Amino acid sequence: NAGVTQTPKFQVLKTGQSMTLQCAQDMNHEYMSWYRQDPGMGLRLIHYSVGAGITDQGEVPNGYNVSRSTTEDFPLRLLSAAPSQTSVYFCASSLGHMNTEAFFGQGTRLTVV
Amino acid sequence: AQSVTQLGSHVSVSEGALVLLRCNYSSSVPPYLFWYVQYPNQGLQLLLKYTTGATLVKGINGFEAEFKKSETSFHLTKPSAHMSDAAEYFCAVSALGAGSYQLTFGKGTKLSVIP
Repeated sequence: NAGVTQTPKFQVLKTGQSMTLQCAQDMNHEYMSWYRQDPGMGLRLIHYSVGAGITDQGEVPNGYNVSRSTTEDFPLRLLSAAPSQTSVYFCASSLGHMNTEAFFGQGTRLTVV
Repeated sequence: AQSVTQLGSHVSVSEGALVLLRCNYSSSVPPYLFWYVQYPNQGLQLLLKYTTGATLVKGINGFEAEFKKSETSFHLTKPSAHMSDAAEYFCAVSALGAGSYQLTFGKGTKLSVIP
């Protein structure tokens, strides 16, 4: 029962570097999403996908790219990391209906120096 | 667009006391409402949800919440706090956005339980 798996768990980047946060789910969920969590700000939606080949922007998409080539995987790319992107990132998946539970990964703690 | 307001970023209760965490929502369409809990250094997990039907919803670990449409509220309660309840709690609303449905979270309430 892997659920939603995020890698890596921790990462330190230098300003301007790029990296990809990985997210994989084994529940055959259509809907996947990325959030960032900052102290006192709750979780804010970055990007989401309603199925393979379909992605859309959330509340805070700037500086991030996503793609969805398979149902299982939904990577998040930081093209040129900035200190403002220091945060904890969570990937989530769900069946794709408004009333269904979202399952979350354990998070990736990213520090940009 | 939908939004969620959680009153109180930090709530402290004594062990055995009532837990009340407040949540108000704004949505232009009938919402689906959720409470999630986050233990330290972990992801979020579902406590309970309101979709349709009974307005008093029971969840895991003895928590429950009541949907009050007239007050646009979905407050979370537990009759008797336990030390293991110490965590951060997030209220969320799911409603249709511009493209598809989106799950919007409140800023969270950190619950401390005093022995």
